[in-house]
Amino acid sequence: ETGVTQSPTHLIKTRGQQVTLRCSSQSGHNTVSWYQQALGQGPQFIFQYYREEENGRGNFPPRFSGLQFPNYSSELNVNALELDDSALYLCASSLGRLAGGNEQFFGPGTRLTVL
Amino acid sequence: QKEVEQNSGPLSVPEGAIASLNCTYSDRGSQSFFWYRQYSGKSPELIMFIYSNGDKEDGRFTAQLNKASQYVSLLIRDSQPSDSATYLCVLYNYGQNFVFGPGTRLSVLP
Repeated sequence: ETGVTQSPTHLIKTRGQQVTLRCSSQSGHNTVSWYQQALGQGPQFIFQYYREEENGRGNFPPRFSGLQFPNYSSELNVNALELDDSALYLCASSLGRLAGGNEQFFGPGTRLTVL
Repeated sequence: QKEVEQNSGPLSVPEGAIASLNCTYSDRGSQSFFWYRQYSGKSPELIMFIYSNGDKEDGRFTAQLNKASQYVSLLIRDSQPSDSATYLCVLYNYGQNFVFGPGTRLSVLP
């Protein structure tokens, strides 16, 4: 069974640039959620994709957008990067939309630094 | 008021002792509650989840939920140095998805 993978591991961008982060879900999982985790804080929910459609969104501006592909892998795109976007971006996959005890499995994360 | 509150710690306990981690939440509509463990530089991993009032035990871990008091806790018995990590309290609200607390750092001293 293949776990959740993310790429790249680390990324450095400058303010105003755009970035794309990638996530491959665990084998058999059809739901992907993205989180932003600033240093010393808990993860903040960005959005979730279920079977290629957005299925919930947290309090993030529209410059945070996503995509899920037929193989259930996913991308997180961030436009017009700001310094406060520097964080660890976590992807989590699960089987089915998150409800009750559906466990989500986290990838190792992508560390984004915006200069 | 933040949705999920936890003491940031660090909470230090000696090896073999019971570690008690506490969490309060503001939304009475919260349906499910989870505890995740996150080692430094790693991604979160699920320890336990609980839906109903009362206690739920799994090995050395016991989760306690009191919906009337909007309180959930995690007890770790026979704490080991390998338990040293940040523990994230998470609630699930249908339509809002997962809401993570800021985490409590636990340090188990050998």
